[in-house]
Amino acid sequence: QLQLQESGPGLVKPSETLSLTCTVSGGSISSSSYYWVWIRQPPGKGLEWIGNIYYSGSTYYNPSLKSRVTISVDTSKNQFSLKLSSVTAADTAVYYCARLGPTSSLDQIDYWGQGTLVTVSS
Amino acid sequence: QSVLTQPPSVSAAPRQKVTISCSGSSSNIGSNYVSWYQQLPGTAPKLLIYDNNKRPSGIPDRFSGSKSGTSATLGITGLQTGDEADYYCGTWDSSLSAVVFGGGTKLTVL
Repeated sequence: QLQLQESGPGLVKPSETLSLTCTVSGGSISSSSYYWVWIRQPPGKGLEWIGNIYYSGSTYYNPSLKSRVTISVDTSKNQFSLKLSSVTAADTAVYYCARLGPTSSLDQIDYWGQGTLVTVSS
Repeated sequence: QSVLTQPPSVSAAPRQKVTISCSGSSSNIGSNYVSWYQQLPGTAPKLLIYDNNKRPSGIPDRFSGSKSGTSATLGITGLQTGDEADYYCGTWDSSLSAVVFGGGTKLTVL
């Protein structure tokens, strides 16, 4: 059974960089059939897609966040990571990592991490 | 402002049926498959429907999906109190090269 687990600081100061890692177990991040995705959910609000990465390193980013986001992959550790720079209180959210596929349609987010709350505050 | 439009809330009595709509455009729903997600309070979303109308293993047939043109619909029959949750539609937008979601619909089982 595929499992995803987010890890990283739960508190980040304004203007600093938010960094999270997602560890994938029970399957290979190098599968050619899937992308790996970060999604966030501000408290009491809906889901917001941040971006996807393929095992080769190919990425798609949300245009509204593109200037501040970097998603990377480490296939040797079966992990992918998120960096969001210059954070403000508006970036406070539960951050989820998940699997997106198949590559032919990119319509199914079928495995999700449990989510991690990141609060931006001084 | 979400790319896909859902009603903020719907409600129905136990054992009744409810539908949740999701409206988009030709670049998203109109040309790609739609998925639906259920988010119970305090938990991560769960895939409920994919490829417009298919159910992952373990999802009861009380849940169904359909698509017509640039709109999609989630149907839930035999409502149970345990179905109270937020429901989101999602798809790929070919123009934006992005995953897009609806704003979510809160289902209340009265």
